Amino acid sequence: DAKTTQPTSMDCAEGRAANLPCNHSTISGNEYVYWYRQIHSQGPQYIIHGLKNNETNEMASLIITEDRKSSTLILPHATLRDTAVYYCIAALRGANNLFFGTGTRLTVIP
Amino acid sequence: NAGVTQTPKFRILKIGQSMTLQCAQDMNHNYMYWYRQDPGMGLKLIYYSVGAGITDKGEVPNGYNVSRSTTEDFPLRLELAAPSQTSVYFCASSYSPTPLGTGELFFGEGSRLTVL
Repeated sequence: DAKTTQPTSMDCAEGRAANLPCNHSTISGNEYVYWYRQIHSQGPQYIIHGLKNNETNEMASLIITEDRKSSTLILPHATLRDTAVYYCIAALRGANNLFFGTGTRLTVIP
Repeated sequence: NAGVTQTPKFRILKIGQSMTLQCAQDMNHNYMYWYRQDPGMGLKLIYYSVGAGITDKGEVPNGYNVSRSTTEDFPLRLELAAPSQTSVYFCASSYSPTPLGTGELFFGEGSRLTVL
């Protein structure tokens, strides 16, 4: 699986958009980009995934660059409950081992 | 649906003791996983199963055993507990990926184990 690089931490003001970057310059053509988050000490929660096209669901939007070497997770209106560690993972669809690195710790500030 | 249920939530073991962490899911998922998460670190895969009767090692299987006799249950056994096994353990499940299915993981709330 391709390695991903994320900033260690970020802050975002409540109500503003949170843009979380992820670099995956060695991603292969059939590897997906997955995003999960972990709130406090709970189990990780799936957010969104994509291959080439931008994706949007009720939680977030995923913007993948045309060369697929990086992506951005967007939380359009961050709330305090979005404070969590966000993991960006590049893996084959259905891979049996998703590599959860240390992620980005997002703190939403009132 | 209860989703993925793990028991116990907390446990303290003495070195050399054995125990089983229980995991059950009611979503009829074929795939099940056990991860561990050490403080400040990401999750590491211990064992996984793609269906009843089938298990395989992940990244850090030493010191652990698993079985998968039913679709619903995937217990993780620690035979001789060591301080290095102090961690938070997460069980997860997913349905088999298909062209329509995404295969995302659903996690339990975790089991916090301390070995003294």
